[in-house]
Amino acid sequence: DGGITQSPKYLFRKEGQNVTLSCEQNLNHDAMYWYRQDPGQGLRLIYYSQIVNDFQKGDIAEGYSVSREKKESFPLTVTSAQKNPTAFYLCASSLTGGYYEQYFGPGTRLTVT
Amino acid sequence: RKEVEQDPGPFNVPEGATVAFNCTYSNSASQSFFWYRQDCRKEPKLLMSVYSSGNEDGRFTAQLNRASQYISLLIRDSKLSDSATYLCVVTLRAPIGSGNTGKLIFGQGTTLQVKP
Repeated sequence: DGGITQSPKYLFRKEGQNVTLSCEQNLNHDAMYWYRQDPGQGLRLIYYSQIVNDFQKGDIAEGYSVSREKKESFPLTVTSAQKNPTAFYLCASSLTGGYYEQYFGPGTRLTVT
Repeated sequence: RKEVEQDPGPFNVPEGATVAFNCTYSNSASQSFFWYRQDCRKEPKLLMSVYSSGNEDGRFTAQLNRASQYISLLIRDSKLSDSATYLCVVTLRAPIGSGNTGKLIFGQGTTLQVKP
């Protein structure tokens, strides 16, 4: 069964702690993406990666970090430097970067108190 | 001006109604267009791509007007299960020489509520 998995579904952390969100895909897609969605708002791009060992900042990269050591995996770390980390985080992948449709994982809801 | 604009709604319609959503985009260099559907507290799912000639998938029809820079989605014979938020998505070409390919820009979405 091909798809994108994200874990955990819900995550609770105390302010000041770093937290890593997992994203795995078995679609053999080259490109992977991280978005953030806040209530009543559209998706905002955090980071994206078009190939292994390479990634670029999106529109709101401050306070986040990523790695792309394997084609299947693109974990996102929310650091303590992120001012408003509570949000719905969505991982996506596409065949290649750019103009192709993206497929999303089920998301992780992060709450930081 | 936002890169992709949608009327947030909500659109409240009775079952069986026909409803249309519009979406405008600001960058004339936009290349690909999609409609996604997002259910409450779930991930967006691709509904359909939008082609220049217009395309239909069952009760759903998508159209693109490049001259006026807008995209539309028409839903005929609305079902209760069509209740969701519909996201308009546009791809932008990256600047030449940037070394990057384009990216998807998501509208904020239009909420549809179909009532019995």
